[in-house]
Amino acid sequence: GAGVSQSPSNKVTEKGKDVELRCDPISGHTALYWYRQSLGQGLEFLIYFQGNSAPDKSGLPSDRFSAERTGGSVSTLTIQRTQQEDSAVYLCASSLDATVNTEAFFGQGTRLTVV
Amino acid sequence: GENVEQHPSTLSVQEGDSAVIKCTYSDSASNYFPWYKQELGKGPQLIIDIRSNVGEKKDQRIAVTLNKTAKHFSLHITETQPEDSAVYFCAATSDTDKLIFGTGTRLQVFP
Repeated sequence: GAGVSQSPSNKVTEKGKDVELRCDPISGHTALYWYRQSLGQGLEFLIYFQGNSAPDKSGLPSDRFSAERTGGSVSTLTIQRTQQEDSAVYLCASSLDATVNTEAFFGQGTRLTVV
Repeated sequence: GENVEQHPSTLSVQEGDSAVIKCTYSDSASNYFPWYKQELGKGPQLIIDIRSNVGEKKDQRIAVTLNKTAKHFSLHITETQPEDSAVYFCAATSDTDKLIFGTGTRLQVFP
């Protein structure tokens, strides 16, 4: 089947605008992660959805960032009033089981550029 | 929460030589330690993982060792090839918790 799908693959937005990034996880995967990767840098944890539990939002850098996961499937990461420092690649990953850690599969990412 | 440190940040080796990347973690409850390879313009891909009930795991030219007492784990690549050139990330987590990644190692293998 298909892997983790992210859209758009590239997004250029003006400073101050809101953006929505979409992640379609692998069907049946109960765990979903969002990470941010700045140019040449590591993977910064943002948010983790684990089955029906409350999401772990401890990595969200400010209240301009929020994420939802509807029906235990598709997730949307929203950044309000974008700033230039938000420019990065946003990566989504999903894994099969939220109770025992298994392989996390990553999407190709959304490259966000704030001008 | 979990904190993962990774060294070195860059590593250059000659084709055929071995490469070793080391990570340390802070949370003694962590029990799952995957390694990911990220090629340019792509998302990271799992190459090997180890759980806390074993000390070593090997898959062809790749091996991972885990020392739970010292809270460190290492990736060993033998007989390196140019296609091994990429960024490698270690990660650590416990059951039901989030994956926390190290800062990455850029490996370059010169022919």
